[in-house]
Amino acid sequence: EAQVTQNPRYLITVTGKKLTVTCSQNMNHEYMSWYRQDPGLGLRQIYYSMNVEVTDKGDVPEGYKVSRKEKRNFPLILESPSPNQTSLYFCASSRGRGPDTGELFFGEGSRLTVL
Amino acid sequence: DQQVKQNSPSLSVQEGRISILNCDYTNSMFDYFLWYKKYPAEGPTFLISISSIKDKNEDGRFTVFLNKSAKHLSLHIVPSQPGDSAVYFCAASVNNNDMRFGAGTRLTVKP
Repeated sequence: EAQVTQNPRYLITVTGKKLTVTCSQNMNHEYMSWYRQDPGLGLRQIYYSMNVEVTDKGDVPEGYKVSRKEKRNFPLILESPSPNQTSLYFCASSRGRGPDTGELFFGEGSRLTVL
Repeated sequence: DQQVKQNSPSLSVQEGRISILNCDYTNSMFDYFLWYKKYPAEGPTFLISISSIKDKNEDGRFTVFLNKSAKHLSLHIVPSQPGDSAVYFCAASVNNNDMRFGAGTRLTVKP
């Protein structure tokens, strides 16, 4: 089954404790990205990756890091989480650029609470 | 600076009637527009898309209209069904880079 898998689905942590949210896709997609969803703001892009070893900042990259060492995995790293990073996070992937390839497949989301 | 705006946070319609969800954008470079649907506790799922070279795209009960001069697109669902109740996100991108999303509209279809 084609899917994007995120872990953990739910996490409560404390300020400053490093954490990683993993994301894996089994569709051989080139493009992967991370979004956060906040009330009234919709989905905002954190980072995206066009291919292995190619990553770029989205709208709200501050406080986050990513890596793309393999095509299927795109982990999101919070080196020193703060309460304003409490949010619902989505990983997504797509085949690539342009119409008819740009449809994003989303994971089920990871709800993160930073105390 | 929100480049994609959905000004109606919620919409309620009766089953069988038409649902019209609206979206406005500010970046004239956007060339690809999509609608996603999201149920609680699930990730968004792709619904329908349209490229800037078209002004209409239809898929069953769902039709998306694009008015480039007004920088406006809309999603029509007809007839609406209770299972359509969800949050709908409008999205836009330039050459599929850096996809921007609206804040979403919660649609409730009443039986």
